[in-house]
Amino acid sequence: SYEVTQSPSVSVSPGQTARITCSGDALPDQHAHWYQQKPGQAPLLIISRDSARSSGIPQRFSGSSSGTTATLTISEVQAEDEADYYCQSVDSTGTYVVFGGGTRLTVL
Amino acid sequence: QVQLQESGPGLVKASETLSLTCIVSSGSISSYYWTWVRQSPGKGLEWIGYIFHTGTTNYNPSLKSRVTISMDTSKRRFSLNLNSVTAADSAVYYCASRTGIRGYFDYWGQGSLVTVSS
Repeated sequence: SYEVTQSPSVSVSPGQTARITCSGDALPDQHAHWYQQKPGQAPLLIISRDSARSSGIPQRFSGSSSGTTATLTISEVQAEDEADYYCQSVDSTGTYVVFGGGTRLTVL
Repeated sequence: QVQLQESGPGLVKASETLSLTCIVSSGSISSYYWTWVRQSPGKGLEWIGYIFHTGTTNYNPSLKSRVTISMDTSKRRFSLNLNSVTAADSAVYYCASRTGIRGYFDYWGQGSLVTVSS
């Protein structure tokens, strides 16, 4: 079955830039979407279709995709950005949804 | 804006059927793919499947043999049935709306914790 892969954790200091990657063979042809999940909360869509920021999401959140890797970039990280981040896409046929395993962002 | 709310038993016995319902209190029923996603304690998100207002469904192959998603458009609700449950099915179950057949999940319910007991 198709999978997309994320690194389990990223740690940055406040004010630095965090980059979270999502790798998958179908990403050249399929969009990646990104969700933020804080403890006890439902996931929140922050980036759709590789790079479209959702309404109300700060400009420091941006997304890009190149080849088999999609990247979520958080510039000038703040303490409130500490959360789990999930990428989501579909397989090459567009039939089945896949989520990455999630990346825990720790703000030091 | 779509508002979603899950409801159902928080405790299910092993080998029985887990049943949850999601009420769609606002938003167009015909505009989205209505989806179930679950998250086991301390784990990541797992897509279960979706239903479109036409009745078309699609399920995660790993769960397909045990899952049924149905919809009552007149009552603005859709439901999940997962049979022959085990402890591995204990999770927070979310209902969500998905924009486009290859798209993203833009609205989520708050989640419903279901524990499978032996």
